[in-house]
Order: sequence, then structure tokens, then C-alpha cells
Amino acid sequence: KNEVEQSPQNLTAQEGEFITINCSYSVGISALHWLQQHPGGGIVSLFMLSSGKKKHGRLIATINIQEKHSSLHITASHPRDSAVYICAVTFDTDKLIFGTGTRLQVFP
Amino acid sequence: ETGVTQSPTHLIKTRGQQVTLRCSSQSGHNTVSWYQQALGQGPQFIFQYYREEENGRGNFPPRFSGLQFPNYSSELNVNALELDDSALYLCASSRDHLNSPLHFGNGTRLTVT
Repeated sequence: KNEVEQSPQNLTAQEGEFITINCSYSVGISALHWLQQHPGGGIVSLFMLSSGKKKHGRLIATINIQEKHSSLHITASHPRDSAVYICAVTFDTDKLIFGTGTRLQVFP
Repeated sequence: ETGVTQSPTHLIKTRGQQVTLRCSSQSGHNTVSWYQQALGQGPQFIFQYYREEENGRGNFPPRFSGLQFPNYSSELNVNALELDDSALYLCASSRDHLNSPLHFGNGTRLTVT
């Protein structure tokens, strides 16, 4: 069983829709990262959080430590948001454990 | 500040050969981590270097080794290449090894034939 589970695996949306991607993890963590990977491989770090909520532009990330759950929200989605979104966590070491990713496609 | 750059972008090697992949971290970033991402899968942690010393390692055999240099560059070396080593290799740098934001390079795509 993967220590980091993401849902859904695949997501399609129409431009303008509100999108939520979920991440659950099995044990206590020291930090959670949300990453964006475009075709071709480059990864961009969107958020790093250990509690509460962070917002950057149309992106919002929340984390509930008690429930071991985090969500990434995209408001007013756009075709350029199409990418794979990856949740990754660090436990008691600096080793980053990755989720399986959510492939998002936003159509005009 | 400059980003994280990796070289080469693509590489084809033959089984049994050795390969060196390079990563140039952002200035001031004393931590670099390397990841292997097989096609269709999530990245897997190979190892991390902090201030030029290995600071954690994933489930990879000893033929995967690394170096980190004072000028914020690092190398991933793989000996005795196997077909299953074909993957995208990513490096990520950060200011500190403890929960700092990560900056990824675009990766090196290695194909072993």
C-alpha cells in the first residue's frame, strides 16, 4: 500500500470549473508538498505546508494534520493548468515520498 | 536567482556502461536530492546530499552514487547500467535539508538499450 494516496487519478474539466485534488497519507508527516509536472518532465513546486492553508493566485492548498489529508484547489481552471499534480510528503527523514499523481486536463 | 539546470537533457547508453548526470543547483542551496521517475510512475527518492555529504538514501543499489560540490553542482553516477535504469532522472535543490521548498530541474531522460 502506497504511503501517499491521491484521488482522483485522472480528472477532466471545462475551462472555468473549480477543481479539487485530494491527498491522504498514512502516518504523521513533517511537511507536505504539492508539485506540478508538465509533459516533458519538468516539475514545479507549488506549495510546501505543514499546517493550515496557503494561497497563490488561483491555487489554494489546505492540510488537516489530524485527518492526515490535504487538498489542492484550482479556481477558474484554464487549459494551461493541464498537467500532472503530485502530492509528496516527508516523514521523519528528509526522504520525499511521492503520491501517484493526478492527471488533469482542462478543455476550453 | 538562476534555476536548477540538468545536463544532458537526453542520453542513450548501452547495458553495462556507466553514466554521469549533472545538476547545477541554485546559488545558496546546500541540499540536493536525486529522484528516478520511470515512465508512467511517480518519482522515487535515490539519495540526498547536504553540504557535500550523503544525507539519506532510498532503496537503490550501491551502483547508484553521487557527489555534491562546493559550487552547488552535483552528480549522479550509475555503474553497470541495466535496462530498468531507463527513466527520467530529476534533481531538486533546497536551501536546507529540513523541509525547505524544492526547486526541480527539468530532468535527464536516460535510455538504456
